Amino acid sequence: DIQMTQSPSSLSASVGDRVTITCRASQSISSYLNWYQQKPGKAPKLLIYAASSLQSGVPSRFSGSGSGTDFTLTISSLQPEDFATYYCQQSYSTRFTFGPGTKVDIK
Amino acid sequence: EVQLVESGGGLVQPGGSLRLSCAASGFTFSSYWMSWVRQAPGKGLEWVANIKQDGSEKYYVDSVKGRFTISRDNAKNSLYLQMNSLRAEDTAVYYCARLGFRLGDAFDIWGQGTMVTVSS
Repeated sequence: DIQMTQSPSSLSASVGDRVTITCRASQSISSYLNWYQQKPGKAPKLLIYAASSLQSGVPSRFSGSGSGTDFTLTISSLQPEDFATYYCQQSYSTRFTFGPGTKVDIK
Repeated sequence: EVQLVESGGGLVQPGGSLRLSCAASGFTFSSYWMSWVRQAPGKGLEWVANIKQDGSEKYYVDSVKGRFTISRDNAKNSLYLQMNSLRAEDTAVYYCARLGFRLGDAFDIWGQGTMVTVSS
């Protein structure tokens, strides 16, 4: 199975900060990489699909890049509602895998 | 409104069985791959199973293969997960998720989740 890693596992940031989260796949997954946001007690929400496409309704401060094995999620100016856990997920193989998550909290 | 609503969770003893259901509304259910994703308490997300639009292809995470069965009834706009030989490590919130027209798509719609607790 394809293994996904994320870094950092957690970070503390302030409102207005630029935040970057990295996701790495154990083998090339082309652009089959998706990003989700999850708040406590809630279902995950799709932010970015196919590595860099913004899901409808998601603010433009979220962006994704990368292909092959290395990917990034960037929040250009962190807002209070962005404090959450972020997961990457590959949909390249028939058996999907998620990264372990990155928790973004308030500094 | 596009919506997925899970049901069927609860407390079950190790070795027992449970059947989860997911009712879909607001979209053409039969046009989409569908999936189950779970999250153990305090842990990350784990993909469990996918099923093709017509049920002809199914894929499972290794840890549930041979114990869980994903199925669907397009006439009833419903997705199911039959869980047998349950173990303590199957304790989790189980989410139903819409995958897309293609297997390589993303989970764009999620249910609210149903809790499964495996304990004696």
